[in-house]
Amino acid sequence: DTAVSQTPKYLVTQMGNDKSIKCEQNLGHDTMYWYKQDSKKFLKIMFSYNNKELIINETVPNRFSPKSPDKAHLNLHINSLELGDSAVYFCASSLTVPGTTNEKLFFGSGTQLSVL
Amino acid sequence: GEDVEQSLFLSVREGDSSVINCTYTDSSSTYLYWYKQEPGAGLQLLTYIFSNMDMKQDQRLTVLLNKKDKHLSLRIADTQTGDSAIYFCAESPNYGGSQGNLIFGKGTKLSVKP
Repeated sequence: DTAVSQTPKYLVTQMGNDKSIKCEQNLGHDTMYWYKQDSKKFLKIMFSYNNKELIINETVPNRFSPKSPDKAHLNLHINSLELGDSAVYFCASSLTVPGTTNEKLFFGSGTQLSVL
Repeated sequence: GEDVEQSLFLSVREGDSSVINCTYTDSSSTYLYWYKQEPGAGLQLLTYIFSNMDMKQDQRLTVLLNKKDKHLSLRIADTQTGDSAIYFCAESPNYGGSQGNLIFGKGTKLSVKP
């Protein structure tokens, strides 16, 4: 009964490939996020969706495309992978819209992406 | 711009108290948070404090907020080896009605020695 689950846990791939990471939450939350954590453990938001609509889009390359088929799912597709994309990607969800009230985040366990 | 600062490392002995400090920049932040990340896992919300509070206690955890100095601290009493993790401070900036997001500090790695 995992609350926020993402797959795969590990992803090793060659430069130039296209890959996807899937995320699902069973908490009934309206808002989902993708965060990137680099090798120094710095955590940065990439995207946020509320009820399938994009509400936060930080400066990330347009090779990264989030897709939300419904409010329980937010997948991340990455085209033409580069060495610098190697990181741990975390999916998260919250009940509320960012900036409105107490937006406690629930995180998935992360996807470690290694681009060779 | 917004920034959340924390020291990167803290080492304590088992049974001692740990104090992890954080400074933030956005005085309009309504809530401030502490998250814990264990090795190989996602972040878990430990505790949070509403900006009109000075202190919040939750079992071994005590959060102190000095809003004037924009300083937040997390005290862990009787620190155990299981408390070894990275602790992230986060603020929730209020952009005056526009959408915001959590701004995380760089994390403090707490090492607990037996």
